[in-house]
Amino acid sequence: NAGVTQTPKFRVLKTGQSMTLLCAQDMNHEYMYWYRQDPGMGLRLIHYSVGEGTTAKGEVPDGYNVSRLKKQNFLLGLESAAPSQTSVYFCATVHPTGEGETQYFGPGTRLLVL
Amino acid sequence: RKEVEQDPGPFNVPEGATVAFNCTYSNSASQSFFWYRQDCRKEPKLLMSVYSSGNEDGRFTAQLNRASQYISLLIRDSKLSDSATYLCVVEAGTYKYIFGTGTRLKVLA
Repeated sequence: NAGVTQTPKFRVLKTGQSMTLLCAQDMNHEYMYWYRQDPGMGLRLIHYSVGEGTTAKGEVPDGYNVSRLKKQNFLLGLESAAPSQTSVYFCATVHPTGEGETQYFGPGTRLLVL
Repeated sequence: RKEVEQDPGPFNVPEGATVAFNCTYSNSASQSFFWYRQDCRKEPKLLMSVYSSGNEDGRFTAQLNRASQYISLLIRDSKLSDSATYLCVVEAGTYKYIFGTGTRLKVLA
């Protein structure tokens, strides 16, 4: 099993460009999350999903959109990138029954916005 | 007051030492607590959940003090491989979590 994978691993964008980050999981987990991690700030929740077709805002949702059309995929979109969105983005999953509340993280996507 | 607070460190300790980290949280209604480990430029991984009665896993012991709203992590007989950042995580709603900024540990030979 691959677990949680993220695409791409690294990207450089110019201000105003758009991009989509893909998170894929093969564990059949219901809950999926997008976090960003910045120095001195810890991980902050951007958006999350409690199942296929559902999404909800987290702590820092502005400037991002998400979609969960298939249970195994959670997409994070930046419509018009800004330098403030330079960060490391982590996707995570949780299965709320049977495995406790372990969050399984992907390897991260490093994004630099110039 | 931040929702979850940790001393950022770094804690520099010699091999074999015992080191303890504390983490305070502000939401008295939180029910689930965790310690995650994050290596440099890697993703966080669960180290241990923290139960009300305290729990131990080998050299690692986690404690919860609800009255004072803090959790702790004790590492005994530190190894070089324990060098990492330790993240305190507190549940903030049904399957939603707040992360502390992390405490850096360096174990020195």
